[in-house]
Amino acid sequence: NAGVMQNPRHLVRRRGQEARLRCSPMKGHSHVYWYRQLPEEGLKFMVYLQKENIIDESGMPKERFSAEFPKEGPSILRIQQVVRGDSAAYFCASSPELGGDQPQHFGDGTRLSIL
Amino acid sequence: AQSVAQPEDQVNVAEGNPLTVKCTYSVSGNPYLFWYVQYPNRGLQFLLKYITGDNLVKGSYGFEAEFNKSQTSFHLKKPSALVSDSALYFCAVRDGGYSTLTFGKGTMLLVSP
Repeated sequence: NAGVMQNPRHLVRRRGQEARLRCSPMKGHSHVYWYRQLPEEGLKFMVYLQKENIIDESGMPKERFSAEFPKEGPSILRIQQVVRGDSAAYFCASSPELGGDQPQHFGDGTRLSIL
Repeated sequence: AQSVAQPEDQVNVAEGNPLTVKCTYSVSGNPYLFWYVQYPNRGLQFLLKYITGDNLVKGSYGFEAEFNKSQTSFHLKKPSALVSDSALYFCAVRDGGYSTLTFGKGTMLLVSP
C-alpha cells in the first residue's frame, strides 16, 4: 500500500516562474492537506482539500498561491511568479474519509529553491 | 483558536537514559493530540495519538506520551533512548470537531552514544 507520493522531490525555479507541486494521497484517502516548512518555524498549515473542493484555505497566501484536488489525478499546489521567500519544503498529507481521530500521513515533501 | 507550544528547541540525552520531550496545547473543545517524528530530508512519521481513554498512550518505537488535562500537556517519553532516536519531533493538536492540525515548532532530540 503506497504511501503519500509527492513529486518532484526537489524543484528549482527562477524568480517570476511558476512552480507546480504534485501530491498523490494514500489509496483510500480523500482528504489532502498542504503544509509549508521553513527552518526554525515548524510546519504551517496552508490548505485542506477534499475531492473537487477546497475546505479550508485559511493558511494560504491570498495572492500567487492556489491549490486543487481534481476528481481524477493528484492534488496540485501552484505558486505563480515565485519569489525568494517561497523557498521552503512543502509537505502534503492525507487522511481517510472518516477524518476525526485518524492521523494524517505525510509525503517526503518537495524542496523548492528559488534562484 | 488552537495552539501548541514546544518549549525546548533541543533536548540532549545520553543513550540508555530516559528522555522527555515537552508539549503543551490550547484548544476550545476536546483535544486530539499527536506526536510525529521527522528524519532529515523526509516527511513526518506518525508516532502516537491521544483521542480519549487512558491518559498514557503507547506508540511506535517504544515511545509513549502522557495526557494531562489539568496541565494541558502531552509530553513524549521513552524509558531508554537510542542514538537512532535522534530526529526532529513535532507535537500537534486538533480541536475535536475540526479537521486541520496545528503543529508546534518542533524539538530536536540528540542522543549521544
